[in-house]
Amino acid sequence: EDKVVQSPLSLVVHEGDTVTLNCSYEVTNFRSLLWYKQEKKAPTFLFMLTSSGIEKKSGRLSSILDKKELFSILNITATQTGDSAIYLCAVGVPRGFNNAGNMLTFGGGTRLMVKP
Amino acid sequence: DAGITQSPRHKVTETGTPVTLRCHQTENHRYMYWYRQDPGHGLRLIHYSYGVKDTDKGEVSDGYSVSRSKTEDFLLTLESATSSQTSVYFCAISESSWADTQYFGPGTRLTVL
Repeated sequence: EDKVVQSPLSLVVHEGDTVTLNCSYEVTNFRSLLWYKQEKKAPTFLFMLTSSGIEKKSGRLSSILDKKELFSILNITATQTGDSAIYLCAVGVPRGFNNAGNMLTFGGGTRLMVKP
Repeated sequence: DAGITQSPRHKVTETGTPVTLRCHQTENHRYMYWYRQDPGHGLRLIHYSYGVKDTDKGEVSDGYSVSRSKTEDFLLTLESATSSQTSVYFCAISESSWADTQYFGPGTRLTVL
């Protein structure tokens, strides 16, 4: 059974701090790893990683994948109150007839609260 | 934001009644998905579609059925709702099986009394 585990479950920091969120996985036939941010609505896409060691960066957020050790980290530097959200990690694997589907298996999420 | 809408956005129903949730997209994406999100379980895939009339089960498909008669619409039906199906339901779309990036609709909060 495919498994994605995120840690920590929750985190409280102050504005300006740097945080690191972790995602480890055990899946068959790995295709990609995705990070999403979820505020009080739908998850919004942050990054997709497919290759080890290549950092993806967007503003204060960055992420990297290690396919040998089966984990990814999401870093947020100089945190702001607007970063408060649940961060979801998902791993994509091909499934179905002729690999027709790309199934995402999600971790349970990390709840980040940034205090002023 | 991807053009995805879900209806209704909120629904309260009683145990044993049929319920249909609708997902509509304007992106002409081939792949569509239904997830449910529950505390402690994260997002779990119910069913997905890889084309018109082509659907398959996800990890928590029992008690649910789906239909896709048009590219833009993906319906999720609870034939006889139970309290365990109280959840937030999200629809997602993806352009191709290799692109993997799935974009989510706004969600439907369903309460089964």
